[in-house]
Amino acid sequence: LAKTTQPISMDSYEGQEVNITCSHNNIATNDYITWYQQFPSQGPRFIIQGYKTKVTNEVASLFIPADRKSSTLSLPRVSLSDTAVYYCLVGGLNTGFQKLVFGTGTRLLVSP
Amino acid sequence: DGGITQSPKYLFRKEGQNVTLSCEQNLNHDAMYWYRQDPGQGLRLIYYSQIVNDFQKGDIAEGYSVSREKKESFPLTVTSAQKNPTAFYLCASSPYGGHEQYFGPGTRLTVT
Repeated sequence: LAKTTQPISMDSYEGQEVNITCSHNNIATNDYITWYQQFPSQGPRFIIQGYKTKVTNEVASLFIPADRKSSTLSLPRVSLSDTAVYYCLVGGLNTGFQKLVFGTGTRLLVSP
Repeated sequence: DGGITQSPKYLFRKEGQNVTLSCEQNLNHDAMYWYRQDPGQGLRLIYYSQIVNDFQKGDIAEGYSVSREKKESFPLTVTSAQKNPTAFYLCASSPYGGHEQYFGPGTRLTVT
């Protein structure tokens, strides 16, 4: 399974755009990149998933360069409620049916 | 409402006792998973099941057991053999071939 590296923590202010980068140098051809958000004492929640280039949904954008060795989760105009831990995961259907690996994640703190 | 339920939210047990954590889903998902999360850490996979009557060990299966007699249910038993059972336990499910995992609210187990 591809190992991921992401910053341990990030700080931001309300209304700013936050970009969290994840490194996954040994990503396999069939691997997708998925991001989850977790609030304290809750289960993680799926945010976005992509394979290449750019994916956008109502909460975030995911940028993946051509070599796919990294990805960037972009949260536009964050609010206090975006304070959470964000996990970057890499995996695919041929790596053991959803056997994803959650690292320690990036702890985002949004201040007023 | 479709979703995953875990009960109870908090559970207290004495050392040496087995305890079973409940996980039920009405999403008609084929796959179900159990994770353990320790303070400040990411999630670690305990067991997962792709179909009824079949399950595989994850990364930290020692001291745990599971059953999958029904598609909707995937109970986890924490046995007395588990050396450090106090943790936050999360159950998840996903559809066959799907990349997104849906998580329950978690059960916080404290063993003294």
